[in-house]
Amino acid sequence: AQRVTQPEKLLSVFKGAPVELKCNYSYSGSPELFWYVQYSRQRLQLLLRHISRESIKGFTADLNKGETSFHLKKPFAQEEDSAMYYCALRGNGANNLFFGTGTRLTVIP
Amino acid sequence: EPEVTQTPSHQVTQMGQEVILRCVPISNHLYFYWYRQILGQKVEFLVSFYNNEISEKSEIFDDQFSVERPDGSNFTLKIRSTKLEDSAMYFCAGQQGAINTQYFGPGTRLTVL
Repeated sequence: AQRVTQPEKLLSVFKGAPVELKCNYSYSGSPELFWYVQYSRQRLQLLLRHISRESIKGFTADLNKGETSFHLKKPFAQEEDSAMYYCALRGNGANNLFFGTGTRLTVIP
Repeated sequence: EPEVTQTPSHQVTQMGQEVILRCVPISNHLYFYWYRQILGQKVEFLVSFYNNEISEKSEIFDDQFSVERPDGSNFTLKIRSTKLEDSAMYFCAGQQGAINTQYFGPGTRLTVL
């Protein structure tokens, strides 16, 4: 069975500090991993996906198959990064997304 | 930039009543989804729809739920007889191709009294 774990419900960091939002997954095949973000009063939107291997808004995430992790990192947090972040998995041959419980990031000015 | 839209933004209904939640996907999308999020819990997959039929559904999507895309634009989720535990945010999502990004609507908050 597939599982996405985001161990931190809440995470607070000071502006300019590094931030890491953790995501671990369990899946028997080779999944595709995503990070979605939801800013206050806005819709869920894709932040990045592992196959793109790109940096969006300064965020990066590397898929570590050995540790089954897909942690989201940013070296210098900004106030506008405050949001809810969801890690999600899409399995082989499936189209639907399987979400973690989310982490609320607060960047303190 | 085109966006997925959903109506209504908030629906309040009595237990046992039928509700229809509406979504207008982005016009060139071919795959459609409904997800729900009970307050304080994670976003959960309900159903996916492609080529005018359900392609996948979760355990949550029982006989009380149905989806259709009657006119080639609106994508609806119907709950026949609502229960208190159906209270949640319901998100519609669309996707252009099988491996493309899913784009989400703003959600409909359903409150069952």
